[in-house]
Amino acid sequence: KQEVTQIPAALSVPEGENLVLNCSFTDSAIYNLQWFRQDPGKGLTSLLLIQSSQREQTSGRLNASLDKSSGRSTLYIAASQPGDSATYLCAVGPIENQGGKLIFGQGTELSVKP
Amino acid sequence: DGGITQSPKYLFRKEGQNVTLSCEQNLNHDAMYWYRQDPGQGLRLIYYSQIVNDFQKGDIAEGYSVSREKKESFPLTVTSAQKNPTAFYLCASSIGTGRYSNQPQHFGDGTRLSIL
Repeated sequence: KQEVTQIPAALSVPEGENLVLNCSFTDSAIYNLQWFRQDPGKGLTSLLLIQSSQREQTSGRLNASLDKSSGRSTLYIAASQPGDSATYLCAVGPIENQGGKLIFGQGTELSVKP
Repeated sequence: DGGITQSPKYLFRKEGQNVTLSCEQNLNHDAMYWYRQDPGQGLRLIYYSQIVNDFQKGDIAEGYSVSREKKESFPLTVTSAQKNPTAFYLCASSIGTGRYSNQPQHFGDGTRLSIL
């Protein structure tokens, strides 16, 4: 059974710092991996989607990498800002569901201090 | 603007009562999903539908029911059989699965359900 784990559960950094959020999964048979952002009391916003054949995706100050063989993904945030404060969730799409069904980690709550 | 609308934002359920959460999308997406989120936890899949008039159970379907009579609508009923319904419920949609699955899921802003 696929399990997704995110470490750390919470992270506090000063503004301007570069940071890395970690996501690990137990079964490498994935269709894709997605990173989402969730603000308090809100739904999820998709940040980056990495297909199983890709190694990384970039959007602005965000870079996500995928290493299927080791069951790991990282989300790199450059030059963090207070507006980046939110919970970040990763989710994998199992290959047997052709990516439609997602399995989520518990999230990392990020606080960026001015 | 295209998006997903969930209503109501807050809902209270009495003992023995069924309640229905609404989810509407105008993105012309084939696939729709219902997730439950408990404090400090990730999302867990309740039900999903890949096409109109078809749906499948997710990981925690017991005590819930859905229908998919229209492409744009995927309501979730929380029945009295669900003994611990207090949670944040999120609806999502995507273009589809299979060769369309490498498009992200889009989420609504959620419904918070509490017990009276």
